[in-house]
Amino acid sequence: EPEVTQTPSHQVTQMGQEVILRCVPISNHLYFYWYRQILGQKVEFLVSFYNNEISEKSEIFDDQFSVERPDGSNFTLKIRSTKLEDSAMYFCASSETSGGNSEQYFGPGTRLTVT
Amino acid sequence: DAKTTQPPSMDCAEGRAANLPCNHSTISGNEYVYWYRQIHSQGPQYIIHGLKNNETNEMASLIITEDRKSSTLILPHATLRDTAVYYCIVRVANNQGGKLIFGQGTELSVKP
Repeated sequence: EPEVTQTPSHQVTQMGQEVILRCVPISNHLYFYWYRQILGQKVEFLVSFYNNEISEKSEIFDDQFSVERPDGSNFTLKIRSTKLEDSAMYFCASSETSGGNSEQYFGPGTRLTVT
Repeated sequence: DAKTTQPPSMDCAEGRAANLPCNHSTISGNEYVYWYRQIHSQGPQYIIHGLKNNETNEMASLIITEDRKSSTLILPHATLRDTAVYYCIVRVANNQGGKLIFGQGTELSVKP
């Protein structure tokens, strides 16, 4: 069964450093998403991406965040200068379409710890 | 903010049906009801979704009331592995970005 994969599973970084979180969406999916979940809190939408452009982003997704599809398979989230409050689980998801009748499938997540 | 209301927690005996309710009284005609679950800190897992009609798949059944203001997710024979947080999400059909808005969900504990 096709699945979304994410690497690394756990990333530890120092405050102010740049991190890149990687995702491989399901191969025939065209829409890609990043979500995050701070420990003990809700899963929060960050950004959606289609056709090499951001479709929608939340208030959390400020200038320190960026997304990219560098090749035909990877989808990345970059945090330019990490802060302590960026510590969270980051989930990548993908779907065939963006419509309401198209389910999103999530990866296992990357646990980001900023020290 | 999430447009759904769910009980914060529920218990269910192993082998019995788990019935998880969700209220979505402000749902619009073009909005779907989705259910996901999250086990520990794993990625949310898609369960089922529907618009008007009841739906069934290998994991669960979704019962949507005729007025669409509430729904129930049914796990027919709950196992210990079904212990998780279950999220009911209302999603616009033509959402430009397709985002999911998660609430706090229902923490289901399946007990032996």
